[in-house]
Amino acid sequence: GAGVSQSPRYKVAKRGQDVALRCDPISGHVSLFWYQQALGQGPEFLTYFQNEAQLDKSGLPSDRFFAERPEGSVSTLKIQRTQQEDSAVYLCASSDGRQPQHFGDGTRLSIL
Amino acid sequence: GENVEQHPSTLSVQEGDSAVIKCTYSDSASNYFPWYKQELGKRPQLIIDIRSNVGEKKDQRIAVTLNKTAKHFSLHITETQPEDSAVYFCAAVPEGQFYFGTGTSLTVIP
Repeated sequence: GAGVSQSPRYKVAKRGQDVALRCDPISGHVSLFWYQQALGQGPEFLTYFQNEAQLDKSGLPSDRFFAERPEGSVSTLKIQRTQQEDSAVYLCASSDGRQPQHFGDGTRLSIL
Repeated sequence: GENVEQHPSTLSVQEGDSAVIKCTYSDSASNYFPWYKQELGKRPQLIIDIRSNVGEKKDQRIAVTLNKTAKHFSLHITETQPEDSAVYFCAAVPEGQFYFGTGTSLTVIP
């Protein structure tokens, strides 16, 4: 079956632009997570959804970061007024409510 | 919150030798400990996991051990092969929240 799908795979934006990153979780998975992975580091938690409810957004680094999952399936992570320090790989993972999580290939974001 | 430390950050072994990667955690509420393998530019892939009611788990050449008292767990890879070369991440999970270590870059030298 299809795994977690993320798009785009690569995104280059100028500083100050807004970006939107998409995650299609595995069908039927109620839990969806967003992570930020800097080069040479482990994934760091950003936010978590159970169905359409955003249960934890404590990892979002600033109010420029916003995530939504309006129908409980596809999720979008939006970053407004991007900064160079936002450059990273953004990983999405989903699960059926129990472990383990299944990861997507990520979106590599580069801010110039 | 949980704090996961992982060592070593880099590890080189000869093909056929064993590799051991160690992680410690701080939150006694953590009850699930997965290990992920990440090849360059690819997604993290779960390779083995262990729950807190078990002390050891094996899957072919891979094993994980857990010491709840000392709050540490380890990944053991035996008979290493070049295709085992990758970055390995441990994680500790209290109440569904994943906290990852900083990763170990494993190189298996043919």
